Amino acid sequence: AQKVTQAQTEISVVEKEDVTLDCVYETRDTTYYLFWYKQPPSGELVFLIRRNSFDEQNEISGRYSWNFQKSTSSFNFTITASQVVDSAVYFCALSEGNRGSTLGRLYFGRGTQLTVWP
Amino acid sequence: GAGVSQSPSNKVTEKGKDVELRCDPISGHTALYWYRQSLGQGLEFLIYFQGNSAPDKSGLPSDRFSAERTGGSVSTLTIQRTQQEDSAVYLCASSSPSVTDTQYFGPGTRLTVL
Repeated sequence: AQKVTQAQTEISVVEKEDVTLDCVYETRDTTYYLFWYKQPPSGELVFLIRRNSFDEQNEISGRYSWNFQKSTSSFNFTITASQVVDSAVYFCALSEGNRGSTLGRLYFGRGTQLTVWP
Repeated sequence: GAGVSQSPSNKVTEKGKDVELRCDPISGHTALYWYRQSLGQGLEFLIYFQGNSAPDKSGLPSDRFSAERTGGSVSTLTIQRTQQEDSAVYLCASSSPSVTDTQYFGPGTRLTVL
């Protein structure tokens, strides 16, 4: 079973629109970590944010914000006033903290390709 | 400071040949990971090293794949008798002493097996 599901394969928006990328995760661990990475056309995975399972506080960083809800096992990512430079593939990932052999390993969703048109 | 570096950036090889991919982690990072990104499988875990502990090899897809990490720093991923399905981007990541810390990725090696 998929541990991380990103149901949106592709999203297209016009510049200045707000866009939300969905991420649903599955784990039995009580301690876990959630991540978002950005992969621009250059190919390198760029770290955006890390949250641990004990901290449900939402976070805002400039035009980026993240909504973590344990009740729905979701960790959604919103870009406000999108820009062309936001065009990339965005990956949500999970790391489990309780299981010895998988400790630290990242489970990735399949990614969402975001295209922002001028 | 310097990030994770990988070499070569691109590798084209013929089916049946062996290849070696190299990863230089961020200085001071004791945990090192290899992942593979392909169109069909997405991003999948291959192997990780943490300090002097035995590596977790559970993600390696076959015994043609192996990896080592010398001196707790540089790592080499070796693929023997390459097959066309090995074509993918191989990504290396490293993290600071706690294995649950953020993993920072290198630019990857694009492997093409003809």
